[in-house]
Amino acid sequence: EDKVVQSPLSLVVHEGDTVTLNCSYEVTNFRSLLWYKQEKKAPTFLFMLTSSGIEKKSGRLSSILDKKELFSILNITATQTGDSAVYLCAVGGANNLFFGTGTRLTVIP
Amino acid sequence: DTAVSQTPKYLVTQMGNDKSIKCEQNLGHDTMYWYKQDSKKFLKIMFSYNNKELIINETVPNRFSPKSPDKAHLNLHINSLELGDSAVYFCASSRLPLGAIHEQFFGPGTRLTVL
Repeated sequence: EDKVVQSPLSLVVHEGDTVTLNCSYEVTNFRSLLWYKQEKKAPTFLFMLTSSGIEKKSGRLSSILDKKELFSILNITATQTGDSAVYLCAVGGANNLFFGTGTRLTVIP
Repeated sequence: DTAVSQTPKYLVTQMGNDKSIKCEQNLGHDTMYWYKQDSKKFLKIMFSYNNKELIINETVPNRFSPKSPDKAHLNLHINSLELGDSAVYFCASSRLPLGAIHEQFFGPGTRLTVL
């Protein structure tokens, strides 16, 4: 059965901390892995990963994929209160897109 | 300019009613989707619609039917609403269909409450 598992389920950190969010998957005919940030409304796209070992970076956020071990991590350095959100990992298969349950990150001032 | 828009934003209705949610995208994308996000925030794809090809998640009850009058619109019609249908429904679109490398753009969501 296809599945995407994210950990931890929730995380509380102080501003300035660095966090690592994990996403492991078992999806048939893997195509891509996507990270989204969901605040109060719609998920917004962060990264799309298709190849192993190539880091994607955007400001303080970065992500990398390991297709051999079937996981990805999302790093956020120097966290800010505006980073507080649910971070969703999604994995695209042949004809479907599977989401994990998300990691709820809370950044305390 | 809203890329993916949905109406209504909130929908409160009685069990047994039939309702529709509308979705429009102005991104020129070929593929549109409907997702359901339950109270535990778990996001699950319901339908994908690309160039008149409908891909259905087989766990979705047939009370749910997507209708696409054109490439920019994908509406969701729900018959005989049940309590368990209460959720936030997101519409999304992408340039490429499922199975291709793609990024999806989400609408703001419609919160459906069935009483």
